[in-house]
Amino acid sequence: NAGVTQTPKFQVLKTGQSMTLQCAQDMNHEYMSWYRQDPGMGLRLIHYSVGAGITDQGEVPNGYNVSRSTTEDFPLRLLSAAPSQTSVYFCASSYLVEMPYGYTFGSGTRLTVV
Amino acid sequence: AQSVAQPEDQVNVAEGNPLTVKCTYSVSGNPYLFWYVQYPNRGLQFLLKYITGDNLVKGSYGFEAEFNKSQTSFHLKKPSALVSDSALYFCAVRDDTDKLIFGTGTRLQVFP
Repeated sequence: NAGVTQTPKFQVLKTGQSMTLQCAQDMNHEYMSWYRQDPGMGLRLIHYSVGAGITDQGEVPNGYNVSRSTTEDFPLRLLSAAPSQTSVYFCASSYLVEMPYGYTFGSGTRLTVV
Repeated sequence: AQSVAQPEDQVNVAEGNPLTVKCTYSVSGNPYLFWYVQYPNRGLQFLLKYITGDNLVKGSYGFEAEFNKSQTSFHLKKPSALVSDSALYFCAVRDDTDKLIFGTGTRLQVFP
């Protein structure tokens, strides 16, 4: 089925470890983004991209890197995990101009940093 | 600056009763407004949107939303709540850089 695929679904990291959260979409969406969801804080934008080779920072970019080498993929890298990065991470995508459904979201990655 | 507010952290309603989840917004220009629902351990799912036209917008699962320009509100409604409607609901507005700004979410609890 067409959509946004996130892997892994769950991950436990030790403080200081690095990892990459994967996000792929097959809808040819130009726009892709990463959010983190924390209780009482809604969704906060980490990084976003408006096309291959173009990325920009969102509201809470510190400690995260992204790249967009293809239209389909938008991985999120945690450079040195900290307990404050314990959260649920969502990838979302959309067309840039027409937004018939706003964003399409992946099912999330629940990350725990111990 | 553009923003969206959901003033209620939680809304409780009995099954069969009407429900309202509130949302107010602040944008420059004409608003593009959305409602999403999130079930446990799932991503957000699109419910409905307002871009232009009728102030009453109908969406998925029997939900509708009323756009009120004078009150800058976009409240989500359903005439008869179901226990299965219990979930987290997010309002969002498209800003002038074409990104969506999300509210903090309202947890809807429908009691049998």
